[in-house]
Amino acid sequence: GDSVTQMEGPVTLSEEAFLTINCTYTATGYPSLFWYVQYPGEGLQLLLKATKADDKGSNKGFEATYRKETTSFHLEKGSVQVSDSAVYFCALSDSGAGSYQLTFGKGTKLSVIP
Amino acid sequence: DAGVTQSPTHLIKTRGQQVTLRCSPISGHKSVSWYQQVLGQGPQFIFQYYEKEERGRGNFPDRFSARQFPNYSSELNVNALLLGDSALYLCASSLEGQGSSYNEQFFGPGTRLTVL
Repeated sequence: GDSVTQMEGPVTLSEEAFLTINCTYTATGYPSLFWYVQYPGEGLQLLLKATKADDKGSNKGFEATYRKETTSFHLEKGSVQVSDSAVYFCALSDSGAGSYQLTFGKGTKLSVIP
Repeated sequence: DAGVTQSPTHLIKTRGQQVTLRCSPISGHKSVSWYQQVLGQGPQFIFQYYEKEERGRGNFPDRFSARQFPNYSSELNVNALLLGDSALYLCASSLEGQGSSYNEQFFGPGTRLTVL
């Protein structure tokens, strides 16, 4: 079945540091890939997405490129801020499964310190 | 426009009881999905409904059931509650259930269920 593996946290960075959160996936079809963010006490917000190979999703300074050859979708940001502290989830949606259910990784907690 | 709304926000139940959670999708969205998020884990897919029909079901026991109403709102029911059912239950809505290469799901704030 479909699965998502993302690097375990927690990750603690100083403000303005470079961020990478690794994500790899396994899917039977041609999935769309997502990064969601969850701030403390809140629901999930879509951060960025990519629907086909070599697409780059970007939003709020975050980027991720859909790499079919390595089945990866790593999240990067050049300079993190304290306000980026949250839990980040990599996810895929595989329409070949018959429904548009999302399969999530376990999440990576990011803490950014001033 | 209002986003996805869920009620109640928090709920405390005891083992063996039954619970009903409610979700109202974004106006115009016809598909609703339910996810369970146990503390420290990623959300797990429970159900998807589209046009009042079940479109997908995750690996959850029959104690979990759901339905979608003509106005596209949805209820998730869990019977015979277990301690392990304690979690954040998330509802997500999207425009369509099929026929698109991509269906962005918009999540509500969730219902926090505690089973004692």
